[in-house]
Amino acid sequence: AQKVTQAQTEISVVEKEDVTLDCVYETRDTTYYLFWYKQPPSGELVFLIRRNSFDEQNEISGRYSWNFQKSTSSFNFTITASQVVDSAVYFCALSEDNAAGNKLTFGGGTRVLVKP
Amino acid sequence: DGGITQSPKYLFRKEGQNVTLSCEQNLNHDAMYWYRQDPGQGLRLIYYSQIVNDFQKGDIAEGYSVSREKKESFPLTVTSAQKNPTAFYLCASSTRASILYEQYFGPGTRLTVT
Repeated sequence: AQKVTQAQTEISVVEKEDVTLDCVYETRDTTYYLFWYKQPPSGELVFLIRRNSFDEQNEISGRYSWNFQKSTSSFNFTITASQVVDSAVYFCALSEDNAAGNKLTFGGGTRVLVKP
Repeated sequence: DGGITQSPKYLFRKEGQNVTLSCEQNLNHDAMYWYRQDPGQGLRLIYYSQIVNDFQKGDIAEGYSVSREKKESFPLTVTSAQKNPTAFYLCASSTRASILYEQYFGPGTRLTVT
């Protein structure tokens, strides 16, 4: 069965520090997608990235970067030069090709607190 | 603007009462989903609908019911049979119920039952 683990429940940093969020997943499928979502205090989930299982290239988008390693089943997320506005809960999620209805399996989330 | 609307943002009910949460989308998406989020936890799938007049149970459907009479609307009823209804409920939609299409989320409804 699919599973997503985010071992870090909370990370606290000072503004301008880098922060890396870990995500480890389990799946038996060869075709799957991995996601990162941001949940600010307002509660709405904001989509950050989607990566399919056949594309292991790392990606950078502004201050955000993602490191996908199939060998270790990890899809880690780094925020460079963090800002107070980055304070939120971040979720990693998995969607499998064989999962009925495009179900997303979420990790427990990592709360990031960026202090000024 | 296209998007997903959930109302109300906060909802309070007495134990033993059924309550219906609204979810409307104008994205012309076929698929819609309901997730539940408990404090400090990730989201869990309650129900999903791939098309009008069709819906399927997710991982935690007990105590909930849904309907999908219109493409735009997917209301969720939390019944008195749901043992722990207090939670944050998020609705989502996608073009199709396929991993090729990402899910877009609404702002959520926080339900408190006392």
